[in-house]
Order: sequence, then C-alpha cells, then structure tokens
Amino acid sequence: AQTVTQSQPEMSVQEAETVTLSCTYDTSENNYYLFWYKQPPSRQMILVIRQEAYKQQNATENRFSVNFQKAAKSFSLKISDSQLGDTAMYFCAFLNAGGTSYGKLTFGQGTILTVHP
Amino acid sequence: GAGVSQSPSNKVTEKGKDVELRCDPISGHTALYWYRQSLGQGLEFLIYFQGNSAPDKSGLPSDRFSAERTGGSVSTLTIQRTQQEDSAVYLCASSRGGTNTEAFFGQGTRLTVV
Repeated sequence: AQTVTQSQPEMSVQEAETVTLSCTYDTSENNYYLFWYKQPPSRQMILVIRQEAYKQQNATENRFSVNFQKAAKSFSLKISDSQLGDTAMYFCAFLNAGGTSYGKLTFGQGTILTVHP
Repeated sequence: GAGVSQSPSNKVTEKGKDVELRCDPISGHTALYWYRQSLGQGLEFLIYFQGNSAPDKSGLPSDRFSAERTGGSVSTLTIQRTQQEDSAVYLCASSRGGTNTEAFFGQGTRLTVV
C-alpha cells in the first residue's frame, strides 16, 4: 500500500516571499504520478501541479515548482512570490500507475499555508 | 454538467439513522473516488470505482458504509446507523481514468450526526 506523509501541519509566509512545502511517500511501484492540490476555504479542491515519476525534469507551473527526488521518495512544492490568494490547505497526492492498485489516488494529511500581508 | 456535482451540500441527521450521499461525476469520466475529510484534516480514502472493474473498497471504515455506482455514472455512498464520528465532509472526485489524469472534485457534502 502507498502512504503519503506531509510533516508540516501548518506553514506561514510573508507576501512576495518563497515557501516550500514538504511531502514524502512510500511505494514499491516504479510507475506513478504525483500531484499537489490546493483546497481554499471554499472547500473546492484545485490541481496545482503534477509530476510523472518517469520524468527527471521537475514540473513548473508559473509560480509553483516541485523538487522531485525519486530515490529519496520526496516531492516538495515551492511557491515563489507568495500571494494572499495562496492561503489554503495543500495536499500532496500519489496516483498508482501499476500493480493491483492501478489508478488509486492517495492523499497526505495536508499542510495549512497562511500568507501574511 | 460542467463539474462534479454532490448532493446534498449539507446534511444533519440523528444518530442511528441511515443517510445517502449522491455524486454526479463529469460525463465520460470512468474513475470515481469517495473521500472523507474530518474538520481540518486530510483526505481519507474510502472507495474507488474504475469502469466495470470491481471497486476498491479497502478504505471503507466499517460495514455500515457502502457505495455503488449505477451505469458507470452516478454514485451513492450510504452510511447505515450513523454515529457521531461519521460527522465529516464527504468528497467525491472523478477523472477520465488511467494515469496522469486530473481528478476533479465536487464541493462535498458536510454530514453532521447529532
């Protein structure tokens, strides 16, 4: 079974600064995908960024980038130039692309990020 | 519809009663997930449907919980003999299936057992 661990229950950052959210996972699979989702107070889950495990290049989406370390099973999210609208709960997620749990999407416990003006 | 629709948005029920939560996925999405989110907590996996395959029920917390998906579309999560610890937000998501596909979430149903 896959597990996803987010060790930071809460983080805070000043507007315009950079913050990094941590995520580690455990799996015996070699083929999988990783995601970061954002859940603002509205409760609507929004995909922030995705990473294919077979790609060495780290994914980037505007101010959001990841540091994917496959050997270490680490998948951190970096938010640059933080904005007030980034305040939300962030979830790291693992999607199994093989084996008996094909297609199963597992989430971490979440990190509450607060951006201060 | 344009997105994943869940109903009701909020449900208050008395302890011991049965409840049904409904999820309408995005048309054409073959994968459907149910998660439970307690206040300020992470998403607890409940069940996963993929096409015509047998569902992955490994996350259902007890035999009071069951889910079905009729015609590969609408899904219903049923909780029998509700308990106060069942109070949570129940989130449904769907995707095109396979891998590297984004899961789209509904707004959730907030269940309160009194």
